[in-house]
Amino acid sequence: GAGVSQSPSNKVTEKGKDVELRCDPISGHTALYWYRQSLGQGLEFLIYFQGNSAPDKSGLPSDRFSAERTGGSVSTLTIQRTQQEDSAVYLCASSLTAGNTDTQYFGPGTRLTVL
Amino acid sequence: GNSVTQMEGPVTLSEEAFLTINCTYTATGYPSLFWYVQYPGEGLQLLLKATKADDKGSNKGFEATYRKETTSFHLEKGSVQVSDSAVYFCALRTNEGFQKLVFGTGTRLLVSP
Repeated sequence: GAGVSQSPSNKVTEKGKDVELRCDPISGHTALYWYRQSLGQGLEFLIYFQGNSAPDKSGLPSDRFSAERTGGSVSTLTIQRTQQEDSAVYLCASSLTAGNTDTQYFGPGTRLTVL
Repeated sequence: GNSVTQMEGPVTLSEEAFLTINCTYTATGYPSLFWYVQYPGEGLQLLLKATKADDKGSNKGFEATYRKETTSFHLEKGSVQVSDSAVYFCALRTNEGFQKLVFGTGTRLLVSP
C-alpha cells in the first residue's frame, strides 16, 4: 500500500513569505506527527494530531508555525513570515493509533530553503 | 525530561566488520525503544524496535536488546556491508501522554569495501 507522502519535495522561498507544507498519511492511520530535521538541532518534534485535534503542540518553535488536519487525513503545516532559521527538512509521520508501541512511518520530507 | 544519547560519528568500518552503535536513554515511565535508519537521499525507515525490558529487536541482521538496568539499547551487526552505510537514529517513545518520538543526534556509518 501507499506510504506517507509529502509535497512539495523541495521548496525555496524568500524571507518573509508564507509557506504551506502538505502531508498525506497512510490510509486509516489516526495519529499524525510533524518533525523537523536541521543541521544544528537534529530531529525535533513539532506537533501531534489524534484525528483532527492536536493534543500536543509543544514543539512548535513560534507562533509563526501552525498546523491543521482535516477529515482525519491530510495535514498542512503553515509557516508564516519565514526566517532563514526555518530552513530544514520537515518530516511527517503517521501511525495506526497513538499507542506507545505503534510504529511511526515517515514520509520522504519537504526540504525548505529560506533565502 | 526524556532524552536519548548516542555515540558521535562517523563510524568507519571495513566490510564484514562487527558494528556496535551505543545508545542510552533517560525516560520516565516505561518507554518503547526504536532504531531508525536514513539511507543517503531517502527518508527515515524503522529498522527495529523493542517495547519492554529484555526484548530483542532484530531486522536485516541488526539486533538491539532493551536493557532497563543499564538504560541502553545498543545496535549491533555481526558483519556489515557497504549497503549499510547510512545514518542511524536511536529513539524512544513513552506512554505518559506524550506521543512524540525523542531522537538521538544520529550516528553516521561509513562502510568501505
